[in-house]
Amino acid sequence: KAGVTQTPRYLIKTRGQQVTLSCSPISGHRSVSWYQQTPGQGLQFLFEYFSETQRNKGNFPGRFSGRQFSNSRSEMNVSTLELGDSALYLCASSLTGTGNYEQYFGPGTRLTVT
Amino acid sequence: AQTVTQSQPEMSVQEAETVTLSCTYDTSENNYYLFWYKQPPSRQMILVIRQEAYKQQNATENRFSVNFQKAAKSFSLKISDSQLGDTAMYFCAFSGNTPLVFGKGTRLSVIA
Repeated sequence: KAGVTQTPRYLIKTRGQQVTLSCSPISGHRSVSWYQQTPGQGLQFLFEYFSETQRNKGNFPGRFSGRQFSNSRSEMNVSTLELGDSALYLCASSLTGTGNYEQYFGPGTRLTVT
Repeated sequence: AQTVTQSQPEMSVQEAETVTLSCTYDTSENNYYLFWYKQPPSRQMILVIRQEAYKQQNATENRFSVNFQKAAKSFSLKISDSQLGDTAMYFCAFSGNTPLVFGKGTRLSVIA
């Protein structure tokens, strides 16, 4: 069974631009979560989608948004990029996302904002 | 809000030795799950071991075992017979009625 895939793996953007990251979960998994990983803040939860609905949201500004499609693939968008948005963005999928959050992570997208 | 604390930012261990990574958490929930994730230098996060809070028996996965002390809200990871491939960041994580909450991580280096 294929694992979680994320595209692109690396991205360089300029302040003020917007970016879209993509995540394809493991086949059959309906929950997709997004995390931002930085050396200073560690792993921070962005949001979780389940069956195309945002079920949970972390404490991030409205510039961060996401969506999930009927095939469970998910995208996250960051508008008006700031230098502080430079991070590794991890996507994780799980079967149901409820209770037992055994999540499977993708390799991440390394975003650099200049 | 739940919090997860890993008090050891960095640790090192000799190959074949045993090392214990500490983790404490704070929650008012009674039913929850605890996890240890490993993130090698290649960055792919991998689940190492999980523990259901309602189970008193400590979880074990080959060379990895946990010491779960529910009353003390402690969840340490023991790695036996350490191998070079165990070199990685290790994250303790909590999941209850909310999405995963991670600790800051412990960078483990296994030395030959």
